[in-house]
Amino acid sequence: KAGVTQTPRYLIKTRGQQVTLSCSPISGHRSVSWYQQTPGQGLQFLFEYFSETQRNKGNFPGRFSGRQFSNSRSEMNVSTLELGDSALYLCASSKGQGAYEQYFGPGTRLTVT
Amino acid sequence: GEDVEQSLFLSVREGDSSVINCTYTDSSSTYLYWYKQEPGAGLQLLTYIFSNMDMKQDQRLTVLLNKKDKHLSLRIADTQTGDSAIYFCAESRDDKIIFGKGTRLHILP
Repeated sequence: KAGVTQTPRYLIKTRGQQVTLSCSPISGHRSVSWYQQTPGQGLQFLFEYFSETQRNKGNFPGRFSGRQFSNSRSEMNVSTLELGDSALYLCASSKGQGAYEQYFGPGTRLTVT
Repeated sequence: GEDVEQSLFLSVREGDSSVINCTYTDSSSTYLYWYKQEPGAGLQLLTYIFSNMDMKQDQRLTVLLNKKDKHLSLRIADTQTGDSAIYFCAESRDDKIIFGKGTRLHILP
């Protein structure tokens, strides 16, 4: 069974631009969660989608948004990029909703210059 | 406090046992997790334990849970060079997974 895939793996953007990251969950998994990982703050929860609905959200500004499609694939979008948005963005999928067994993708490394 | 706490570094000789400790915050957490992250990679779910268990063993890994003290530990027996990584402790809280800052395990020859 294929694992969680994320595209692209690496991305360089400039301040003020926007970016869209993609995540394909493990087949049969309906929940997708997104996390931001930075050296200073560690792993921080962004949001979770289940059956195309956002069911949980972390403490991030409205510039961070996401969505989930009917095939459970998810995208997250960051608008008006800031230097502090440079991070590894990790996606995790699980069968059920909420805090359950989550399996992570390799991440997308975003660098904002 | 509000954070999941774990020490930042641990050095262990190859062949010895590694014990990584963690304290969590929410006594009502249903699941407690250990994840492993190797350089340039995502997080690998190593094991998890339900809050109604005291211990879980899986090959070289042993997880101990002390609910009274909100203390979780991961023991890796016969530590190998391939175990060199960052290990994250995490708890389920408010339907989210909250992670500690990670313990970097360094293997000495």
